[in-house]
Amino acid sequence: GAGVSQSPSNKVTEKGKDVELRCDPISGHTALYWYRQSLGQGLEFLIYFQGNSAPDKSGLPSDRFSAERTGGSVSTLTIQRTQQEDSAVYLCASSLAVRGPSYEQYFGPGTRLTVT
Amino acid sequence: GNSVTQMEGPVTLSEEAFLTINCTYTATGYPSLFWYVQYPGEGLQLLLKATKADDKGSNKGFEATYRKETTSFHLEKGSVQVSDSAVYFCALSRTQGGSEKLVFGKGTKLTVNP
Repeated sequence: GAGVSQSPSNKVTEKGKDVELRCDPISGHTALYWYRQSLGQGLEFLIYFQGNSAPDKSGLPSDRFSAERTGGSVSTLTIQRTQQEDSAVYLCASSLAVRGPSYEQYFGPGTRLTVT
Repeated sequence: GNSVTQMEGPVTLSEEAFLTINCTYTATGYPSLFWYVQYPGEGLQLLLKATKADDKGSNKGFEATYRKETTSFHLEKGSVQVSDSAVYFCALSRTQGGSEKLVFGKGTKLTVNP
């Protein structure tokens, strides 16, 4: 079946602009996660959703970052007033459940964000 | 807090050599442990996992054993192939049999030469 998809695959934006990154999880997966991969910081957790709720937003680096999920499916990560340090690959993952025998996370290909 | 430390690379081996990538962790409670692999130009893929102490995860000839006494989850393969060239990430989740949040190591780049 179809895996996790993310769009756009690449985004170049000017400093100060807002960007929206989209994630389509695997159909039927109730949990959805956002991570950021950068050279300096490695792979960092940002936020996860169980259904449409976000029990853990602890990884969001500042109030410029927000995310939402609607209909228990698609999620959007929004970065306002982008800064150069926001340049990274943003990864989305989904899992069938958060606990139990099907909790493995499956990752999308990522969105490479470059802030100029 | 929870953290993962894995050996720094890059690691360069000849085909059919033995591979070990060390991973140790710090965690409260009973985390689940994972190895993910990222092939060139591709996304992260789960390679193997272990849910509790003494569990052995295995896949594609790779193995790792959850050692609580040494807080380690070292990745091993007896005979590597050129196609194993990739970046390998060790990770933990804070709960046994769960994954609300994965904490990753920095990654180890493996290059296998023919």
